[in-house]
This record gives sequence, C-alpha cells and structure tokens, in this order.
Amino acid sequence: GAGVSQTPSNKVTEKGKYVELRCDPISGHTALYWYRQSLGQGPEFLIYFQGTGAADDSGLPNDRFFAVRPEGSVSTLKIQRTERGDSAVYLCASSLIGRGGDTQYFGPGTRLTVL
Amino acid sequence: GQNIDQPTEMTATEGAIVQINCTYQTSGFNGLFWYQQHAGEAPTFLSYNVLDGLEEKGRFSSFLSRSKGYSYLLLKELQMKDSASYLCAVRDGDDYKLSFGAGTTVTVRA
Repeated sequence: GAGVSQTPSNKVTEKGKYVELRCDPISGHTALYWYRQSLGQGPEFLIYFQGTGAADDSGLPNDRFFAVRPEGSVSTLKIQRTERGDSAVYLCASSLIGRGGDTQYFGPGTRLTVL
Repeated sequence: GQNIDQPTEMTATEGAIVQINCTYQTSGFNGLFWYQQHAGEAPTFLSYNVLDGLEEKGRFSSFLSRSKGYSYLLLKELQMKDSASYLCAVRDGDDYKLSFGAGTTVTVRA
C-alpha cells in the first residue's frame, strides 16, 4: 500500500510568516509522529499523536509550533511567526499502535527554508 | 534524554564489509532501531533489536548488548547503492518516540 506522504515537499517562506505542513500517514496507523532534522543531524522528536490526541508534545520548541490531527488520520504541523532557525526538514512518521517493537515509517519530509 | 554516539563517516570498498558502531545511555531501554537514509530521502527501516544478540537480514545484520549499551550494524558485500547515512535510534522505557544519533555517512568506493 501507499507509504507516508507529506506536502509540500519544499516550502520557502519569509521570516515572520505562517506555514502549514501536511502529513498523510499509512492507512490504519493509529500513531503519528513529527520530527525535525537539521543538516548533518538525526531526526529530533517534536510531537506524538495517538489517534486524534497529542499524547506528547514535549519536543515542540516553543509556542509558535502547534500540530493537529482532527480525525485521527491526516496531521498538520503549524508554525507561526517563522524564524530563520526554523529552517530544517520536517519529517512525519506513522506506526501501527505506537508502542513496543512497533516500527515507525517515515515520509519523505518537507524542506522548510525561512529567508 | 539519551546520549547516542556513532561515528560521523566511514569509507569502504565495493564488496567489502563495514561495521557501524552505536553506543547509547538510557534510563530504561526498550529497543534499538537502525534506519538507512539516502540524501534528500526519508529514513527507511533496516532492523530492530530489543534482546541481546545478532539479528540477520540478508546482507545486513544488527547486534545488541544491553549491558554494554552497544549496538552495531554490519553491512556485507557492499554495493554502491549502500552509500547513505545510517541512523541509530533508541526507544526509552514506555516512550514511543525515538531518540536518534547524528548518523554515520557511509561512502562505498569502486
């Protein structure tokens, strides 16, 4: 079946603008994760959803970042008043149940560039 | 959080074997994952270890020693397409999130 998809693949914005990044997980996966990856680094956890609720948002760097998953499938990561330091690849992953040896499958990411 | 260390870069010849080491520190270990990531692409799952020992999957094997906080990924019969970054990731206790190392860039030369 289809894997995790993310749109857009690239987003260039100006400092101070608002952006939305979309993630479409694998069908039937209840768990969804957002990570951020800077150049030369491994992915860094941002937020985890189990169904519609954010079970852990401890990785969000500040209150400019927010994410939703209203129907337990597609998720949107929202960044307000973007800053140049927000530039990174934002990765979304999904897994079947979200615990144990559950494997996380990643999407191709959205490359965000803040000018 | 976790302290996950792996070498930054490794180079090997086509057909050879390369071993990528990963050390970690956690308060409650609950599984270690290896992912492969080609430049500009998504990380793809390679292996999962939760008990001590060696897991073999074709040309790739992964080993875990929980008492030493140590794992390695072994790539055999290297091919040019194996040139990529290899990410070690640890799950801690009841957490579902993964903590990743910075990745090891493997370059395979002809």
